[in-house]
Amino acid sequence: AQSVTQLDSHVSVSEGTPVLLRCNYSSSYSPSLFWYVQHPNKGLQLLLKYTSAATLVKGINGFEAEFKKSETSFHLTKPSAHMSDAAEYFCVVSDKGNQGGKLIFGQGTELSVKP
Amino acid sequence: DSGVTQTPKHLITATGQRVTLRCSPRSGDLSVYWYQQSLDQGLQFLIQYYNGEERAKGNILERFSAQQFPDLHSELNLSSLELGDSALYFCASSERTGRNSPLHFGNGTRLTVT
Repeated sequence: AQSVTQLDSHVSVSEGTPVLLRCNYSSSYSPSLFWYVQHPNKGLQLLLKYTSAATLVKGINGFEAEFKKSETSFHLTKPSAHMSDAAEYFCVVSDKGNQGGKLIFGQGTELSVKP
Repeated sequence: DSGVTQTPKHLITATGQRVTLRCSPRSGDLSVYWYQQSLDQGLQFLIQYYNGEERAKGNILERFSAQQFPDLHSELNLSSLELGDSALYFCASSERTGRNSPLHFGNGTRLTVT
């Protein structure tokens, strides 16, 4: 069975410093992995996705994530945080097969950015 | 803007009542998904429709039902509401079905049951 664990429920960084949001997954299959961001009172927006192509995935707003099979990790990074990055971030693994909607969400990491 | 429209944005109702949440997917998307987000359960997959047919079912209660209409919009019906049904309900759509097809989420309907 697939599962995903976000290792930090809350991360606080200063503006201009690097961001690291950690995610470990468990999957019996070659997984599809996603990071979604949710700003207050907004829906979830896709940041990036990994689907067995390049292991380093670049997303929107300067975010990227690296798929590391040996570590079963898919950590999200950004070199320099911006105030507008403050939001909740979800690491997501997708079930196999045609039931693509069966996304399994991590519990979320709230990112705070201090001026 | 994801292109997915959910109405209403907020709903306040009493226990025992029935409500209908509506979702219009992105233009061209055939799949519609419903998710429930609550503080204790996080984001939970409820149900998926593809081109009018139910495709996958998650942790959806028997008191809840959904359907996708010929014009591809979808409705989620919640009946005999309980306090614990208070949550943010998201609709998402994708072009295809399949695990590589990214989802585009609406802004959600916040349901408060009093």
